[in-house]
Amino acid sequence: DQQVKQNSPSLSVQEGRISILNCDYTNSMFDYFLWYKKYPAEGPTFLISISSIKDKNEDGRFTVFLNKSAKHLSLHIVPSQPGDSAVYFCAASARGNDMRFGAGTRLTVKP
Amino acid sequence: DGGITQSPKYLFRKEGQNVTLSCEQNLNHDAMYWYRQDPGQGLRLIYYSQIVNDFQKGDIAEGYSVSREKKESFPLTVTSAQKNPTAFYLCASSTGTGAITDTQYFGPGTRLTVL
Repeated sequence: DQQVKQNSPSLSVQEGRISILNCDYTNSMFDYFLWYKKYPAEGPTFLISISSIKDKNEDGRFTVFLNKSAKHLSLHIVPSQPGDSAVYFCAASARGNDMRFGAGTRLTVKP
Repeated sequence: DGGITQSPKYLFRKEGQNVTLSCEQNLNHDAMYWYRQDPGQGLRLIYYSQIVNDFQKGDIAEGYSVSREKKESFPLTVTSAQKNPTAFYLCASSTGTGAITDTQYFGPGTRLTVL
């Protein structure tokens, strides 16, 4: 039962443009959402998070938007840089319990 | 430097052999986790431990075993009962406070290939 879905396995963007990565979830009990970034042969690293009491959280070039009614969140990267090329995982948890991960989206930023 | 280490980075084993993957953390975290990553799938939870000498099964615990004798260490054994053991294995830790903002930090992973 995939409770967190990333329907786009890959995304290609030109350097300097905006990257938008999307994530949908089915469990209405999820109250904390995170984005992880993963380079090949490395473990994921925490990027940015948002709790369900907010609809936006910004950290430098990275902004996460949460639409609770649509059970949808997105990660915006502006401007995109070649070093942002990685796999991005969306994750969600309910009341601090087991985290559920999406399948990941591979972002390629072209120079 | 505080962090999580996993060893080895690459591991090859013959079918039918048990193999143990190491995970050590010096972050003083109470909770530790093992995940498995397969192509096109999200991370799936194998086992987790919230305190020393205690652990719980995750979504795909069959064919795996763990121990948590020390706070810093959470080794995972992939047994011969695991039908499809070839995968990328990730260990993580968190403060385990149960707060909704408890973030997990990951090790570099071990890629296990069973021949």
